Amino acid sequence: GNSVTQMEGPVTLSEEAFLTINCTYTATGYPSLFWYVQYPGEGLQLLLKATKADDKGSNKGFEATYRKETTSFHLEKGSVQVSDSAVYFCALNTGFQKLVFGTGTRLLVSP
Amino acid sequence: DAGVIQSPRHEVTEMGQEVTLRCKPISGHNSLFWYRQTMMRGLELLIYFNNNVPIDDSGMPEDRFSAKMPNASFSTLKIQPSEPRDSAVYFCASRASGIPYNEQFFGPGTRLTVL
Repeated sequence: GNSVTQMEGPVTLSEEAFLTINCTYTATGYPSLFWYVQYPGEGLQLLLKATKADDKGSNKGFEATYRKETTSFHLEKGSVQVSDSAVYFCALNTGFQKLVFGTGTRLLVSP
Repeated sequence: DAGVIQSPRHEVTEMGQEVTLRCKPISGHNSLFWYRQTMMRGLELLIYFNNNVPIDDSGMPEDRFSAKMPNASFSTLKIQPSEPRDSAVYFCASRASGIPYNEQFFGPGTRLTVL
């Protein structure tokens, strides 16, 4: 079946540090991959997505590259801010079906 | 454009009472999803609809939970009778189906507390 594995949190960083949150997946077919972000007290928002191998999704300084050979979609940001503190979810979709989410990774950024 | 609208935003009730959560999807979206989020279990998909028809309800925890979508602009999730272990944040999400690989849009959630 389809599944997503994310690194355990929390990830604790100082402002302006480099961020990586690992995500690997198992899927039949050729999935699209997503990163969602959930700020405290809010619903999930789409952060970025990639629909085919080697695509790079980017938004708000965050990037993730769809790596078919390693079945990965790691989230990166060069310089985090306190306002990036949130929970980040990796997810996949194999077409018209439901999204499969990872367990989420909490990011805490201190000034 | 208005996003996904959920009501109420917060609900506190006593064990045994009936609870009804409401969702209005984004206009034009044909798919609707109900999720539950807890610290212990994370984000769980309860049920989803395509064109008002339930497609997969395998995530509904037990018969106390039921969901309906009487029309394209409204859905309810009902818990009867409610129990303390139902306390969670319930999210509704919608998607424009017919377009593969597109994203879901989430509502702000309803925080349910069952005493």
